[in-house]
Amino acid sequence: DAKTTQPNSMESNEEEPVHLPCNHSTISGTDYIHWYRQLPSQGPEYVIHGLTSNVNNRMASLAIAEDRKSSTLILHRATLRDAAVYYCILRDSKSSGDKLTFGTGTRLAVRP
Amino acid sequence: DVKVTQSSRYLVKRTGEKVFLECVQDMDHENMFWYRQDPGLGLRLIYFSYDVKMKEKGDIPEGYSVSREKKERFSLILESASTNQTSMYLCASTSPGQGYEKLFFGSGTQLSVL
Repeated sequence: DAKTTQPNSMESNEEEPVHLPCNHSTISGTDYIHWYRQLPSQGPEYVIHGLTSNVNNRMASLAIAEDRKSSTLILHRATLRDAAVYYCILRDSKSSGDKLTFGTGTRLAVRP
Repeated sequence: DVKVTQSSRYLVKRTGEKVFLECVQDMDHENMFWYRQDPGLGLRLIYFSYDVKMKEKGDIPEGYSVSREKKERFSLILESASTNQTSMYLCASTSPGQGYEKLFFGSGTQLSVL
């Protein structure tokens, strides 16, 4: 399984943009990039996913490097409710039994 | 609303007890997963299943077994609980194969083994 690497922690000020990086240098051509976040005392929840093009939804934007070896989750205006652990994982579109391995993620702290 | 339901939010067991953690999903998903989460270690995959009666070992299967008799239910079994199995356990489910399907998680079971 291709692996991802994320910084352990990041800090942001409230109402400022946040860029959360993820490296996936061994990504294959059939891997989708997924982001999940885990709020305190909850299970992880889906944030966004993409394959090659940048993606936007109501929660965040996903910027994918041209060589696909890295991606960045963008929160346009951080709020205190965005304080969470953010996980970047890869899903293989050619595998029905993909293992879905998570790492330690990035813990985001948001300062008021 | 789609749902992954874990039977207990908090569970306290004694060393040596047999423990069952139950997970039920209502989305007709083929793939189901059990993770444990410990401070500083992220989510670690214990077992997963991509069909009824099928199971695959994850990264840390030792001390655990699983059962998938029905598509909607995936059980994690601790045959003889030990204190080092005190952890948050998370169940998840998804559809297979296309790569873009979302993974849905339950709220977790905090297990304490005394």
